[in-house]
Amino acid sequence: GAGVSQTPSNKVTEKGKYVELRCDPISGHTALYWYRQSLGQGPEFLIYFQGTGAADDSGLPNDRFFAVRPEGSVSTLKIQRTERGDSAVYLCASSSGTGELFFGEGSRLTVL
Amino acid sequence: DAKTTQPNSMESNEEEPVHLPCNHSTISGTDYIHWYRQLPSQGPEYVIHGLTSNVNNRMASLAIAEDRKSSTLILHRATLRDAAVYYCILRDVTRNSGGSNYKLTFGKGTLLTVNP
Repeated sequence: GAGVSQTPSNKVTEKGKYVELRCDPISGHTALYWYRQSLGQGPEFLIYFQGTGAADDSGLPNDRFFAVRPEGSVSTLKIQRTERGDSAVYLCASSSGTGELFFGEGSRLTVL
Repeated sequence: DAKTTQPNSMESNEEEPVHLPCNHSTISGTDYIHWYRQLPSQGPEYVIHGLTSNVNNRMASLAIAEDRKSSTLILHRATLRDAAVYYCILRDVTRNSGGSNYKLTFGKGTLLTVNP
């Protein structure tokens, strides 16, 4: 597709479970960002990849959160031992270096 | 990134112009002013950005005060599809080896309601 694709669009899990969220960026975009958005708030930065490496992970809230981008394209955000407070919409964005970020529609995570 | 201040909400009528204000009194000389909007159940969408001069594109116009401490996003004829949360963001590009970090720091934005 032409845009940023995120799967799943919705994920319901139980407290304590492990979750993976996937982002497929726009082809050729070297920069990839993960954000988290809680209800009524603006998106909150989590991590930024330039190519395969995490160039800025200052937004990850704790060590239960981890993200990878092994081949410099698709990225996976991994959350271990999920908590109810992790419930949010997780947004992915990519950029070609022009300064404009292109966002996906997000993955809504609900932790019961 | 420097902070911005926006009204929580604004209302407009369809086919009328809308002026969305943003204050950024602590802006630095290298901060670009970016606007994104977020329609319901979608990710944010780029609208426009500028540094010092006013900017126009197919979506909107950006008017930047001479001292750069404020700016206004102008939608020339609002439509129902323009109803969204509009975010004004200051961004200073952090350059690192291999690329530039265009990280955006979002506030709560302005919720624009467009009345038919």
